[in-house]
Order: sequence, then structure tokens, then C-alpha cells
Amino acid sequence: EAQVTQNPRYLITVTGKKLTVTCSQNMNHEYMSWYRQDPGLGLRQIYYSMNVEVTDKGDVPEGYKVSRKEKRNFPLILESPSPNQTSLYFCASSLRPGQANTGELFFGEGSRLTVL
Amino acid sequence: AQKITQTQPGMFVQEKEAVTLDCTYDTSDQSYGLFWYKQPSSGEMIFLIYQGSYDEQNATEGRYSLNFQKARKSANLVISASQLGDSAMYFCAMRTGGGNKLTFGTGTQLKVEL
Repeated sequence: EAQVTQNPRYLITVTGKKLTVTCSQNMNHEYMSWYRQDPGLGLRQIYYSMNVEVTDKGDVPEGYKVSRKEKRNFPLILESPSPNQTSLYFCASSLRPGQANTGELFFGEGSRLTVL
Repeated sequence: AQKITQTQPGMFVQEKEAVTLDCTYDTSDQSYGLFWYKQPSSGEMIFLIYQGSYDEQNATEGRYSLNFQKARKSANLVISASQLGDSAMYFCAMRTGGGNKLTFGTGTQLKVEL
């Protein structure tokens, strides 16, 4: 089954304790991206990657790191989480948009993170 | 800068009625794609419909249609014959910058009533 898998789905942590949210897709997609969803703000792009070893900042990259060492995986790293990073996080992937496809995003189920 | 505006934080519609969710966008790119996603209370993001900037016809997918007015920079979602299961948050989104950049609106919470 084609899917994007995120782990953990739920996490409560404390300020400053490094954590990683993993994301894996099995659709051989070039493009992967991370978003955070906050009430009243919609989804905001944190980082994206167009291919292996190619990453770039989205709209709200501060406090986050990513890496893309393999095509299928795109982990999100919070080196020193703070309470303002409490949010619902989504990983998504897609083919590169072009004539053959719309570039529709496939989303993971979301990871709800609470930083105390 | 890219921007998506959804001006309706919440809407109510009677079952079996049609409803229009508004979306306006702003971009200087000539090539872009517009999407609508549904987020039920369970939290997952479900793709509904897509419209390319060069598509001359409005997109339709079952009960969903996208009313694309390029000159007005609007991409409204029309849901016909609403069902209780349509109650959800709906997000309009735009893909620009050769596909790198994805911008979402703040969403519209739709409630379908009996």
C-alpha cells in the first residue's frame, strides 16, 4: 500500500531534549516536505527536499533541521525543542510536478508534539 | 510572496444542499497548481481536487468542483449535495516555484446539518 509513515504519532517531551520525528515513503517520490499545523494558521512549510542531499528552508525553519540521505526517508530534527514548537506535524511527499502529474501531496497521518 | 486567503473560518450547510468554500490566491508565477484538501476530525489530510493554472476547464471530481477564475485569482471549491461526512476542515493550497513551494490557507471549518 502506498503510504507516508510518520513516527511517533504522539509525543510529550520537555524543553531542550533533542528529538527526531521520522518520515518514510514507499512511492519513490523525489519531493518530500514537513509542515506544522497550528490553530488559525493553517499548515506552514518548515523544510522541503527535492531529492537526495537537496534540502531547503520553507517558511518557518527556525529551530528545526532535516536531512535527506535516502530517497525514502526525511527525518525532522528538533535539536532543542521549546514550548512554541508544540504543534501537529505533517510529512508529505510527491512526484516532481510536471506534465505527467499534478504534484499532489501525499500526507502522513501527523505527529502531535507537546513540549513542556 | 505566495499567499492563500480563505476568508470563511466556519460555515454551516444543510444536508443535500450545495456549498461554496472561498479561496483567493496571490502569486507572480505564471505556472502554478491549486489544490483542495479535506481534514476530518481524525486529522488526516485527504486530497480532493486539483486545478492547473493553464487548465482551461474547471476541474471536477465527483461531487467536488473547482470554480477557477484566473483573472480574479480565485479557486473556490463547490461541494454539491452535501453529506454529513463532509463535515471537516477544508484547506486551499497552491504550489509554485517549479513545485518547491507549497502554501496553504488557514482553512474553513464546514459543518453539515440535518
